[in-house]
Amino acid sequence: DAKTTQPNSMESNEEEPVHLPCNHSTISGTDYIHWYRQLPSQGPEYVIHGLTSNVNNRMASLAIAEDRKSSTLILHRATLRDAAVYYCILRFTSGNTPLVFGKGTRLSVIA
Amino acid sequence: GAVVSQHPSWVICKSGTSVKIECRSLDFQATTMFWYRQFPKQSLMLMATSNEGSKATYEQGVEKDKFLINHASLTLSTLTVTSAHPEDSSFYICSASMRQPYGYTFGSGTRLTVV
Repeated sequence: DAKTTQPNSMESNEEEPVHLPCNHSTISGTDYIHWYRQLPSQGPEYVIHGLTSNVNNRMASLAIAEDRKSSTLILHRATLRDAAVYYCILRFTSGNTPLVFGKGTRLSVIA
Repeated sequence: GAVVSQHPSWVICKSGTSVKIECRSLDFQATTMFWYRQFPKQSLMLMATSNEGSKATYEQGVEKDKFLINHASLTLSTLTVTSAHPEDSSFYICSASMRQPYGYTFGSGTRLTVV
C-alpha cells in the first residue's frame, strides 16, 4: 500500500468544523482512499472512502484533490465524541490484503 | 452492518500462562481475518493473517509458536498467546474484510495485561 502523511495531532473546538488533511503523493490509479478512526480503548471504525469524487455520508465528508495526491476528511460539527485518532489509508481495489496503519492524526475536541 | 465480536474485552493473566482471544463474525462469513497488536500511544501493527481452513501467515518478527492462530470456521478465529510474559501486554485487535472496496470491520479489542 502507498504511504500517507498526516499531521500528528490537531485540535478543534466543539461544534466547529474540522478539516483533517492527508497527503498521498504516490497514490496509484486503482487505490481507494479510506479513512478510519479509533476511539480510546476501542478497535478502529470505518469512516468513509472514495476514489476520485468527493463523498458524503452521515459521519463525514471526503474531499479529494483533482490530482488525487491529497485528501481532506471533513467533520462538519465536531463533538466531544469525535475525539479519536484518524487514519488515512490507501487501499488497493482488489485482493484480500490487510489494512496498513500509519500513525494517524490525534484529534482533540475542546468543549 | 457487519459486526465482529471480540472476547474478552480485557484479561489479566499470570506470567507463563496462556490466554485465548476469540473473534467472531456475527452476520457474515469471514474467510480471512487479521490480527493486530497495539502498544500504548502507537499505531496498530499487523501480526498475522488468518485464513479459514489453512495455516495463518505471520508477519516478520512475530513468533508463530507463541501466538497461535486458529481459523477453523468461517465465523471464528482465535488467537492464543502462549506462555505469556509482561512484554506481551498489549491491546490485541482482530479485523475481517468486507465486500471490496468497502473496507474492513474491526473487533472492539482485547486489553491483555500479564503480571
